[in-house]
Amino acid sequence: ETGVTQTPRHLVMGMTNKKSLKCEQHLGHNAMYWYKQSAKKPLELMFVYNFKEQTENNSVPSRFSPECPNSSHLFLHLHTLQPEDSALYLCASSQAHRGLSYEQYFGPGTRLTVT
Amino acid sequence: AQTVTQSQPEMSVQEAETVTLSCTYDTSENNYYLFWYKQPPSRQMILVIRQEAYKQQNATENRFSVNFQKAAKSFSLKISDSQLGDTAMYFCAFMKNNNDMRFGAGTRLTVKP
Repeated sequence: ETGVTQTPRHLVMGMTNKKSLKCEQHLGHNAMYWYKQSAKKPLELMFVYNFKEQTENNSVPSRFSPECPNSSHLFLHLHTLQPEDSALYLCASSQAHRGLSYEQYFGPGTRLTVT
Repeated sequence: AQTVTQSQPEMSVQEAETVTLSCTYDTSENNYYLFWYKQPPSRQMILVIRQEAYKQQNATENRFSVNFQKAAKSFSLKISDSQLGDTAMYFCAFMKNNNDMRFGAGTRLTVKP
């Protein structure tokens, strides 16, 4: 379980706070992802980065801002969130080659509560 | 848009028995990948098994096997000789030839002693 790490594991923040989630992968992969997992809903893909370039942004509100400084690190910056943003945020990575990606490896997630 | 449907929100099985989890998907693509992921309580999501759509042979990983019916767009997971450690949420996932993976809502499986 050390392939993809996420910090913090738990975060409680007010609606006016600014915080960041961090993800690091130790697998040598070149693609990284952010997902939102809410109760009784399918995982929602938020952002995809290939070789540090953002390739997918699935209509995510601007209060979520991703950053990928290198292929091993991925951040999700949070600003003026709403209570409905409370969820488990999962990071994943995979090896992509010529647009073809293989299975994704997930981190343990950050449990976010917005008060 | 691709959608993935898991029609069984919850299932239970006796230890050592066999259980099958259902998954259907909707796509107009011919080449794609299907996955089953397992998420144990308070633990990380891990890959259980994968299937390439161009392969007719059903994938197998030890006690886990799939029944892939491409024409019916069905991808069920069979767990044989169920163990207590198999208790988890199971997610079916679909991926085209890019990085956009779509998940079903999940099936909560409980293995009873």
